[in-house]
Amino acid sequence: DAGITQSPRHKVTETGTPVTLRCHQTENHRYMYWYRQDPGHGLRLIHYSYGVKDTDKGEVSDGYSVSRSKTEDFLLTLESATSSQTSVYFCAISESERTGGISAEAFFGQGTRLTVV
Amino acid sequence: AQSVTQLGSHVSVSEGALVLLRCNYSSSVPPYLFWYVQYPNQGLQLLLKYTSAATLVKGINGFEAEFKKSETSFHLTKPSAHMSDAAEYFCAVKRGFKTIFGAGTRLFVKA
Repeated sequence: DAGITQSPRHKVTETGTPVTLRCHQTENHRYMYWYRQDPGHGLRLIHYSYGVKDTDKGEVSDGYSVSRSKTEDFLLTLESATSSQTSVYFCAISESERTGGISAEAFFGQGTRLTVV
Repeated sequence: AQSVTQLGSHVSVSEGALVLLRCNYSSSVPPYLFWYVQYPNQGLQLLLKYTSAATLVKGINGFEAEFKKSETSFHLTKPSAHMSDAAEYFCAVKRGFKTIFGAGTRLFVKA
């Protein structure tokens, strides 16, 4: 596996509690992403980062926030967890930077299975 | 807006048979297209990518895909299925900094 680690791998939490998921990379890649995976939906982008302190929203960002204070770490926070946020969360990093910013998410973490009860 | 549609949420083939997983894209500009594979309880792994250099793209594990602009398709094929190919496969398109994924196709391989 590429140098990308997600923690925790599994978590059960109660509705209304805050939750933070961590993504750590050792590849020094500029781009980092958070996706959620749900049956029938593929992977949907939550937030992404194109540099330290540079983040933007994806297609399903409501209820989530992110922070990137260092190149290697990208945190995803559920401010107040809801049952609809029960999912598997994946972090990804880009393969490389190319002209025009087109780059492939070639490396994924192992995922975090989050259950909100 | 760029998007992809995968035809068939489940595909079943016999071991040794041809694998064909279908993907159609919509894009107003030349797209960057990808196929990923996901094995149970793992993250996604890049199989292959199309970046306009060649219409027939070869990937890992004997898979290949052909970009057909006239059909807006990027179907994934493998001449002979192996039991180890059983997994979920995702077609994806690049949109700026973002990658948009299809809903996925689960491949079953029968002995």
